[in-house]
Amino acid sequence: KAGVTQTPRYLIKTRGQQVTLSCSPISGHRSVSWYQQTPGQGLQFLFEYFSETQRNKGNFPGRFSGRQFSNSRSEMNVSTLELGDSALYLCASSSGPGTSGSSDPKNIQYFGAGTRLSVL
Amino acid sequence: SQQGEEDPQALSIQEGENATMNCSYKTSINNLQWYRQNSGRGLVHLILIRSNEREKHSGRLRVTLDTSKKSSSLLITASRAADTASYFCATVNWVSSPGTASKLTFGTGTRLQVTL
Repeated sequence: KAGVTQTPRYLIKTRGQQVTLSCSPISGHRSVSWYQQTPGQGLQFLFEYFSETQRNKGNFPGRFSGRQFSNSRSEMNVSTLELGDSALYLCASSSGPGTSGSSDPKNIQYFGAGTRLSVL
Repeated sequence: SQQGEEDPQALSIQEGENATMNCSYKTSINNLQWYRQNSGRGLVHLILIRSNEREKHSGRLRVTLDTSKKSSSLLITASRAADTASYFCATVNWVSSPGTASKLTFGTGTRLQVTL
């Protein structure tokens, strides 16, 4: 089974531009989450989609948005880029919202290699 | 915002030694997970422990959880050079995200260096 695929791997943009990142989850996975990783703030949750619906959103400004398509592929968009948006953006997929069972595979998230965004 | 701190921030040991990393968190949790990240790439799930469990084992990994102290530890026994990576604990709290176990709140991470 192919893993989580994120494209592009690297991206350079300038302030004020917008960017779209793509994530293809593992086949059969319906839940996709996005995280931002920076040296200063660490790993932070952006949002989660399940069956094309945003189920949860982190504490990020409205410039950060996302969507999920019927084939579970997801995109996130950042508009009006700022220098502070430079980060590694990670996408993770799971087979669905987790449960209380510790052996439930839905509790495990599988991460892509990330997209490294540099804003100049 | 991050759930908590990990200690130490960096750890350097020799191959064959054991490595212990600690994680503290701030709120109640449903489960706690450990992930590994190699050189700024994606994270790999290592192990999950539920809030009503005290200890879990998986191969060379041993995780403990003390909910009264809001802390967890990850022990890697007989470390290998290939274990060199950053290790993160991540918590799931359904109080704030009911039924949404996919939202992970990460700690600050421990950078482990295993030398030959």
